[in-house]
Amino acid sequence: EAQVTQNPRYLITVTGKKLTVTCSQNMNHEYMSWYRQDPGLGLRQIYYSMNVEVTDKGDVPEGYKVSRKEKRNFPLILESPSPNQTSLYFCASSLMRKTGYNEQFFGPGTRLTVL
Amino acid sequence: KQEVTQIPAALSVPEGENLVLNCSFTDSAIYNLQWFRQDPGKGLTSLLLIQSSQREQTSGRLNASLDKSSGRSTLYIAASQPGDSATYLCAGNTGNQFYFGTGTSLTVIP
Repeated sequence: EAQVTQNPRYLITVTGKKLTVTCSQNMNHEYMSWYRQDPGLGLRQIYYSMNVEVTDKGDVPEGYKVSRKEKRNFPLILESPSPNQTSLYFCASSLMRKTGYNEQFFGPGTRLTVL
Repeated sequence: KQEVTQIPAALSVPEGENLVLNCSFTDSAIYNLQWFRQDPGKGLTSLLLIQSSQREQTSGRLNASLDKSSGRSTLYIAASQPGDSATYLCAGNTGNQFYFGTGTSLTVIP
């Protein structure tokens, strides 16, 4: 089954404790992206990657890191989480075509609480 | 910076009505536009994608159109059903970045 998986689905942590949220897709998509969703603000793009070893900042990259060492995986790293990073996080992937991006597929989300 | 507005923010209609959801971008240079559905506490499900060479797409009771000159898109839902109750999000890309609206929360009353 074609899918985007994220782990963990729920995480409660404390300020300053480094964490990683994993994202994996099995569709051989070039493009992968991380978003955060907050009430009243909608989804905002954190980082994206157009292929292995190619990453770039979205609108809200501060406090986050990413890496793309393999095509299927795109982990999100919070090196020193703070309470303002409490949010619902989504990973997404998309095929890239000459006509532009194909549809984005989303993972189930990771609900993060930073105390 | 691209800003995306969805109107209305919330909508409640009786079952069977046809309805229109609106989405507009401050920068009309949108390449592709995608409509999603999000159920409470769930992820996003893709509904329709309008690619750069297209103006509209249809799937079942759903029809989406994109006016690139104005940066506006509409999602038309025909003969609404209670199962259509959800939040509907539009998203477009400018270059390699994607921008989302804050959504329209739809309730279809049986």
